[in-house]
Amino acid sequence: ELKVEQNPLFLSMQEEKNYTIYCNYSTTSDRLYWYRQDPGKSLESLFVLLSNGAVKQEGRLMASLDTKARLSTLHITAAVHDLSATYFCAVEVGWNQFYFGTGTSLTVIP
Amino acid sequence: NAGVTQTPKFQVLKTGQSMTLQCAQDMNHEYMSWYRQDPGMGLRLIHYSVGAGITDQGEVPNGYNVSRSTTEDFPLRLLSAAPSQTSVYFCASRDEGASYEQYFGPGTRLTVT
Repeated sequence: ELKVEQNPLFLSMQEEKNYTIYCNYSTTSDRLYWYRQDPGKSLESLFVLLSNGAVKQEGRLMASLDTKARLSTLHITAAVHDLSATYFCAVEVGWNQFYFGTGTSLTVIP
Repeated sequence: NAGVTQTPKFQVLKTGQSMTLQCAQDMNHEYMSWYRQDPGMGLRLIHYSVGAGITDQGEVPNGYNVSRSTTEDFPLRLLSAAPSQTSVYFCASRDEGASYEQYFGPGTRLTVT
């Protein structure tokens, strides 16, 4: 059974602090996705990581992929309140077969 | 472009009733998918389509039917609703290009009593 595990599940962090969300998966895949979901809303695509060693950055968020370790990280730099949301990683197996992690609920507090 | 649209936004069904959740996209995307999201869980793939006339099962297909008669539309049918199908349903589409991105609809919140 394919597993996609995120940790932590809940993260409360102070503004201006740094933190990392981890995404481990149990099968071979070269494509890893990160999404953001605000409460009651749909999913917004953040990053698409297509190969081993891929690193992408947008604002205070940076995502990386290590396919050999089957690990992706989402690093948050100097958190601000606007980043409060639930973050999901998803692994694509083959084409269009997506498996999502359970999500990390992030709360940024002043 | 409206992107991916879903109707209805909310629906309450009684056990045993049937209904169809509608999904449409105006981006001429070949690939469309249906997911369900349950509390405390990520999305799980129900069915997907790689083009008109072609569908396949995802991780949790039981109790759901799909068809794809046009590129634009991908309806999800619940044949006999059960309380276990209470969930939020998301439709998504993507193209065959290099972007790999999926675009999600706003979701349908379904409650089965």
